[in-house]
Amino acid sequence: GAGVSQSPSNKVTEKGKDVELRCDPISGHTALYWYRQSLGQGLEFLIYFQGNSAPDKSGLPSDRFSAERTGGSVSTLTIQRTQQEDSAVYLCASSSGTGNSPLHFGNGTRLTVT
Amino acid sequence: QKEVEQDPGPLSVPEGAIVSLNCTYSNSAFQYFMWYRQYSRKGPELLMYTYSSGNKEDGRFTAQVDKSSKYISLFIRDSQPSDSATYLCAPIKAAGNKLTFGGGTRVLVKP
Repeated sequence: GAGVSQSPSNKVTEKGKDVELRCDPISGHTALYWYRQSLGQGLEFLIYFQGNSAPDKSGLPSDRFSAERTGGSVSTLTIQRTQQEDSAVYLCASSSGTGNSPLHFGNGTRLTVT
Repeated sequence: QKEVEQDPGPLSVPEGAIVSLNCTYSNSAFQYFMWYRQYSRKGPELLMYTYSSGNKEDGRFTAQVDKSSKYISLFIRDSQPSDSATYLCAPIKAAGNKLTFGGGTRVLVKP
């Protein structure tokens, strides 16, 4: 595709439920990132995948959060037992992974936990 | 203290004015500097990418880096209502793999 695609664009869920957010990066991009943006806040790094290397999970806020990237392409961010403080926009980005190549972002998934 | 600081704004200017945006950082390991623009309900899009101290121009946009002061700026000349957005600065380390974002400055250009 032409850009990074994320689905769903909006998700409303009840507290305690699990949610899965999907990211389809730009074709050929080896690096994939998840960020979280809370209302009026900057972007908070969550997790980074680069090729076949072990992911950098240093930004995941708790063990309720996990992510996987299958076949080096599509990624899924899973939040278990959602809490109200998980409400935010979850942004996915990809890059070519070479040097300090810039990130290309999707439009995010707006998650609301009621 | 956050690693990257920006005034949240909003910064309101009349159409045609110069917009001046600033960003400070504390980590001297940051060597590359990016500016992203984010429209409401959209993902950030790369606007400028610079490495060295000094100025870099791209159309109506100029990015300025002063590594000695850990201070970066973005100037928008002849501002347009379509420039109304949030501008995020994002430095990265030379051997880094993830951007550290400032909180962003919201800009409103009034016709």
